[in-house]
Amino acid sequence: NAGVTQTPKFRVLKTGQSMTLLCAQDMNHEYMYWYRQDPGMGLRLIHYSVGEGTTAKGEVPDGYNVSRLKKQNFLLGLESAAPSQTSVYFCASTDSFLKGGYTFGSGTRLTVV
Amino acid sequence: AQKITQTQPGMFVQEKEAVTLDCTYDTSDQSYGLFWYKQPSSGEMIFLIYQGSYDEQNATEGRYSLNFQKARKSANLVISASQLGDSAMYFCAMREGETSYDKVIFGPGTSLSVIP
Repeated sequence: NAGVTQTPKFRVLKTGQSMTLLCAQDMNHEYMYWYRQDPGMGLRLIHYSVGEGTTAKGEVPDGYNVSRLKKQNFLLGLESAAPSQTSVYFCASTDSFLKGGYTFGSGTRLTVV
Repeated sequence: AQKITQTQPGMFVQEKEAVTLDCTYDTSDQSYGLFWYKQPSSGEMIFLIYQGSYDEQNATEGRYSLNFQKARKSANLVISASQLGDSAMYFCAMREGETSYDKVIFGPGTSLSVIP
């Protein structure tokens, strides 16, 4: 029962470094999302995908890029990390954007120093 | 302007009592969906309950019910018979519109502590 798997779980980056966060789901879900969670601000949508090969911008897309080359994988990239990108990143997926709740991954805690 | 407001940063409830967590939302869309999620201290996000704007009856899922008052634009979560395991952050969320491109946005959350 893997569900949504995020790797890595923790990472420390230096300012200016790049990295890719991987989200993999084994539920054949069509829709996938990347959120960031900061204290007192709930979750904010970074980018999302409504199907293989598609991506769209969310509320806070600047500084991030995404790709969905395979239906089961959704990658989030930071090209040049900044301290403001220190956050907990959650990936989520659903097969029903209308009524279904999301299945979330366990999160990636990223610190940019 | 904030789309989702959760005015209670922290709440306490006695074990076995019922508790209501407030959520108000702002939208001009006629079609929208409302969600509640739970985040225990372990960090994972757990989907609890969904209410559609056209649903005439309040949604219920086990001990969770959603008190939907459309005219007031409120979607309060009611947890009956609180348990120690209910201690967590609770987030209200809303999807405006009914297409796959309509985004779900989250409120700031309410921290619930259940007291033995």
